[in-house]
Amino acid sequence: DTGVSQDPRHKITKRGQNVTFRCDPISEHNRLYWYRQTLGQGPEFLTYFQNEAQLEKSRLLSDRFSAERPKGSFSTLEIQRTEQGDSAMYLCASSFSGGGWETQYFGPGTRLLVL
Amino acid sequence: AQKVTQAQTEISVVEKEDVTLDCVYETRDTTYYLFWYKQPPSGELVFLIRRNSFDEQNEISGRYSWNFQKSTSSFNFTITASQVVDSAVYFCALSEDGGSQGNLIFGKGTKLSVKP
Repeated sequence: DTGVSQDPRHKITKRGQNVTFRCDPISEHNRLYWYRQTLGQGPEFLTYFQNEAQLEKSRLLSDRFSAERPKGSFSTLEIQRTEQGDSAMYLCASSFSGGGWETQYFGPGTRLLVL
Repeated sequence: AQKVTQAQTEISVVEKEDVTLDCVYETRDTTYYLFWYKQPPSGELVFLIRRNSFDEQNEISGRYSWNFQKSTSSFNFTITASQVVDSAVYFCALSEDGGSQGNLIFGKGTKLSVKP
């Protein structure tokens, strides 16, 4: 049973470039979450999907950010026109929600550095 | 508004000492879940425990124990006989609406260093 995987693990880019991250959830999980974590802080929620539907977006998710989860399987998070303030760890988590409680399991994260 | 406070930024102990990590939360919901996660230097958040708002029983798992007190809105985590491998950042988190709402609200974390 594999856990949540994320690719790439590290990304260095120049300001203004676009980047895309991928997350593969645990196979039977129907919910997928994206969080951002900056140095010395806890993860902050960005958005989540139930199957292929994006159900909630944080105000942190500016219009430069877009997330997709086609067919309710893997998800991608794209950042357009990156800024230095986008440098952070981007964490993906998945869970199974049957209408009640759930536990989110996290991937190893993608560390982004914008120069 | 919902909030999680971990007042201890960093704690340093010597191996075999007991250590308690504090977590205080704020929520207006009557149904909610509390979590602890461990983040070792590798970066991956590791789930440790989930507790619902209706179950105030303390829980013990090996060297780990958790004390949930609704009266003080606290969910503290104790490591008994700490080991070097316990060195990590520990996060307390809150999920409202019985955990079905979605996003977790995290505290800022407590960095635990266990020295040999």
